[in-house]
Order: sequence, then structure tokens, then C-alpha cells
Amino acid sequence: GAGVSQSPSNKVTEKGKDVELRCDPISGHTALYWYRQRLGQGLEFLIYFQGNSAPDKSGLPSDRFSAERTGESVSTLTIQRTQQEDSAVYLCASSLVGGTNTEAFFGQGTRLTVV
Amino acid sequence: QQQVKQSPQSLIVQKGGISIINCAYENTAFDYFPWYQQFPGKGPALLIAIRPDVSEKKEGRFTISFNKSAKQFSLHIMDSQPGDSATYFCAARGSNYKLTFGKGTLLTVNP
Repeated sequence: GAGVSQSPSNKVTEKGKDVELRCDPISGHTALYWYRQRLGQGLEFLIYFQGNSAPDKSGLPSDRFSAERTGESVSTLTIQRTQQEDSAVYLCASSLVGGTNTEAFFGQGTRLTVV
Repeated sequence: QQQVKQSPQSLIVQKGGISIINCAYENTAFDYFPWYQQFPGKGPALLIAIRPDVSEKKEGRFTISFNKSAKQFSLHIMDSQPGDSATYFCAARGSNYKLTFGKGTLLTVNP
């Protein structure tokens, strides 16, 4: 695709429900990131996938959060038993690796609201 | 553990002034330092980047200054314009090509 695509763009869910957020990276990008951005705040790293390496899950805030990636394509971020503090914009980014440039291209994000 | 420290958290500058945002890092294995710009409702986008073998890089009104010995780098926006109002993130590339981001600086340029 032309860019990183995230869906849905907006999600309102009830506290305690599970949600799945989807990211379609740019074709050929082996690296994929998930970030959380609370209102007016910075980028909170969640998880990093790079090729066949074990994912870096060091940013996941609790065991309610998990993510998967199918090969070098689509990734889904799952939040179980959502809480109000999970309300944020979830951003996905992808990049090539190798060489001098590691530009990360971001999607528009999924705005999650837990009510 | 925050590996890239960014300051200030927010900055207000008058039109035509110079905006300066600073970042510091500890990991000497970082080998690529980009800056990202984010407008409200959008994802961050690459603005300018530098490698540690260069002390300065300029693109239009935007300049990165890099001090390898101090492990610091900064973004300078000359002749700041209201359209530059955005959130700016510094980042550093480490092992496995992973980018680590600073917490961001909200820049407001008053007309």
C-alpha cells in the first residue's frame, strides 16, 4: 500500500471488553512498532517486531496487552478486559532495516475510548 | 528506563524567533538520530536526521546540531512560523535497528 494503514480509526468500547487493533505496514518493511499516545502526551513504546527476531515486548504495560505479526505483514494489537486508562491513540509504524536510513512511517492511529 | 531524554516539554516562541529543542542519550551504540514532527490528529513524520559522524545538518530552516562527546543533539528551527506549531520528537536508532523516541516537545509559534 501507499502508507501504513490502521483500522479502525476510532473505537469506543465498554470497560471489560476485549479489543483488536489492526496495522497494515508498508509492503516490504520488516520492522513494525506499536506505540500508545495519551492525550497531549508523548509516544509510549509498546512492542517492536523485526523480521524473524523475537519481538521486543518490553513496553507492554500489562499481560492484558498482546500483539502478533504474521510474517512481515499485518499486525494486530489485542487489549483484553479494557480499562479506562487504556483510552489513547494507538499508533503503528513500519520501516525498512539495513543501510543508513531507518525512517519509520506512521499510520494515522486508532483512537480508543473505553467507557 | 528512558534512553533518550528530551527537553523542554513545551516551548512558546514568537514568529520569526529561533526554536531550540534538546535531546540527550546514554547508549553509545546509537548510530542514527532522526527528528519527527507531529501535527494534531496525524501520525509523526520524519523531519530531518543525522548520523554521529557529522556535527551539523541543515535542511532549509531546520538544523540538527550533534555533540558526540556530550551525547547530545538538538533541533534548531530558524525564523519559526505559526505553521511550525506541532509536537517534535527526537529519536535514536540502536540494536536491531530499533528506534527509541524522546517524550516530545509541544512547540507553539505565536503570530
